[in-house]
Amino acid sequence: EDKVVQSPLSLVVHEGDTVTLNCSYEVTNFRSLLWYKQEKKAPTFLFMLTSSGIEKKSGRLSSILDKKELFSILNITATQTGDSAIYLCAVAGGTSYGKLTFGQGTILTVHP
Amino acid sequence: KAGVTQTPRYLIKTRGQQVTLSCSPISGHRSVSWYQQTPGQGLQFLFEYFSETQRNKGNFPGRFSGRQFSNSRSEMNVSTLELGDSALYLCASSFLAGGHNEQFFGPGTRLTVL
Repeated sequence: EDKVVQSPLSLVVHEGDTVTLNCSYEVTNFRSLLWYKQEKKAPTFLFMLTSSGIEKKSGRLSSILDKKELFSILNITATQTGDSAIYLCAVAGGTSYGKLTFGQGTILTVHP
Repeated sequence: KAGVTQTPRYLIKTRGQQVTLSCSPISGHRSVSWYQQTPGQGLQFLFEYFSETQRNKGNFPGRFSGRQFSNSRSEMNVSTLELGDSALYLCASSFLAGGHNEQFFGPGTRLTVL
């Protein structure tokens, strides 16, 4: 059974700090790993990493995929209070088609 | 380009009733996946439709069903509602099936079963 584990489950930082969120996975026939940000609404897409794109960056956010060690990290530099959210990691793989297996999420709280 | 839309946004039902939720994908997207989100279980996959065919189904009872129309809009039906079905139901659309590209989520339907 596909499995995605995120750590830490929650994190409290102050504005300006840098945070690293972790996601490890066990899935057969890996296709892609996706990061989402969820506030008080539906998840919004951040990054997708595949075998052909193992590092992505957008502004203060960046993500790396290590296919050998089966994990990904999401970095957020110079955090702001607007970064407070649940960060979800999801993996597509196996014989499933559109199925994404999600981790439990990391609750990030950024204090001013 | 308009995003994924879901209707209704909120729904209150009683045990034993049935409910139908609707999802309109982003224009041009042919794949629609449905997920259930609860505080205890997180986000769990229900099923995916591509070109009007169900491609995969998660571990949910047969009370949960769905379909997709020729315009890619999808509906999800839950019959004989139970208290445990209270959740946020999210649909996500993507251009291709198979997890090869991004899935974009709609705002969700908050279902409360009393």
